Amino acid sequence: KQEVTQIPAALSVPEGENLVLNCSFTDSAIYNLQWFRQDPGKGLTSLLLIQSSQREQTSGRLNASLDKSSGRSTLYIAASQPGDSATYLCAVRRNTDKLIFGTGTRLQVFP
Amino acid sequence: GAVVSQHPSWVICKSGTSVKIECRSLDFQATTMFWYRQFPKQSLMLMATSNEGSKATYEQGVEKDKFLINHASLTLSTLTVTSAHPEDSSFYICSASQDYTEAFFGQGTRLTVV
Repeated sequence: KQEVTQIPAALSVPEGENLVLNCSFTDSAIYNLQWFRQDPGKGLTSLLLIQSSQREQTSGRLNASLDKSSGRSTLYIAASQPGDSATYLCAVRRNTDKLIFGTGTRLQVFP
Repeated sequence: GAVVSQHPSWVICKSGTSVKIECRSLDFQATTMFWYRQFPKQSLMLMATSNEGSKATYEQGVEKDKFLINHASLTLSTLTVTSAHPEDSSFYICSASQDYTEAFFGQGTRLTVV
């Protein structure tokens, strides 16, 4: 059974710092991995999608890497801003199957 | 990215009544939609997978008679909470994807049963 864990559970940093959020999964046979952002009381916003054949994806200040063999993905946020404050979720999909979500990392960036 | 619209964004209903939540993919056809429930400060819990034109597949422990799912077209899935009780109060979110690639989520519906 696939299990997805995210570390740390919560993070509070000053504005401007570069951040690394971690996601681990127990079954390396994944189809793709997706990172999401969730603001309080809102739905999920897709940030980055990494297919199983890819090593990383970049969008603006965000960079996500994938190491399937070790069951890990990292989300790198450069030059963090207060507007980045949210909960970040990673999710893995095995073939044409449902998404399995991680436990989430609550990020607070203070001015 | 693609847009998934969920309606209503919040609803308050009396105990014993039914509530319908709609999920629409606005700019793509979604053969599969997913319904999630989220408790405060917790991750998403998958309730059911909704396939267009066929019966939904429910996760273990989810009452199919209480949470009715209909996927009548490639752009619309509905979740009806029947005979709602206060313990059904929660945040419900739908998701849709095209060909199991990138998943897009609705804005969520905050259900409060009084």
